[in-house]
Amino acid sequence: DAKTTQPPSMDCAEGRAANLPCNHSTISGNEYVYWYRQIHSQGPQYIIHGLKNNETNEMASLIITEDRKSSTLILPHATLRDTAVYYCIVRPRGNNAGNMLTFGGGTRLMVKP
Amino acid sequence: DTGVSQDPRHKITKRGQNVTFRCDPISEHNRLYWYRQTLGQGPEFLTYFQNEAQLEKSRLLSDRFSAERPKGSFSTLEIQRTEQGDSAMYLCASSSLFGTGHEKLFFGSGTQLSVL
Repeated sequence: DAKTTQPPSMDCAEGRAANLPCNHSTISGNEYVYWYRQIHSQGPQYIIHGLKNNETNEMASLIITEDRKSSTLILPHATLRDTAVYYCIVRPRGNNAGNMLTFGGGTRLMVKP
Repeated sequence: DTGVSQDPRHKITKRGQNVTFRCDPISEHNRLYWYRQTLGQGPEFLTYFQNEAQLEKSRLLSDRFSAERPKGSFSTLEIQRTEQGDSAMYLCASSSLFGTGHEKLFFGSGTQLSVL
């Protein structure tokens, strides 16, 4: 029961901004939006998360729409090393047992020179 | 930060054999997760520990699978009587919990299992 919808693949030119969309129309008020990425032959890596405000860290920016039904992960200056599968995940806020991350298929981002 | 360590990185076995994987989490993390990932798919949750207690198991975890986390430190995942369908990447993660209700998972590089 996927709670998020992402395009299966995207291309981006090196040095350009990569904008990865995610739909989560059934998100509830106490659920965070998380982004993880998985580079080939490695485990997933945390990128960023947010509740309702836009967030920025050293890796990326997260823009969440006002109705919280969709979000966009922005890599401002994509490099070849950003080629990976990007997963958008919603997870209930709180540290209760059972709040595990549920991964969908993700978006395969290919950064091209 | 030594990260999450998994051993071995690769395992090739024959159908019917038993295999065991080890995960060493980040030392101060009390939560530990096992996931399984097949080619082209996202990781699927298998089981989860809080300290030494196994609190949740997925329906994917058949009775041939068993996981332990003695003393709340490292964890092992054993598969008995392996089948070709068990071929996958087995990922381990440990997590930091924050007062905001945010949980950040740190994944190891996984153990790639091939059952011949």
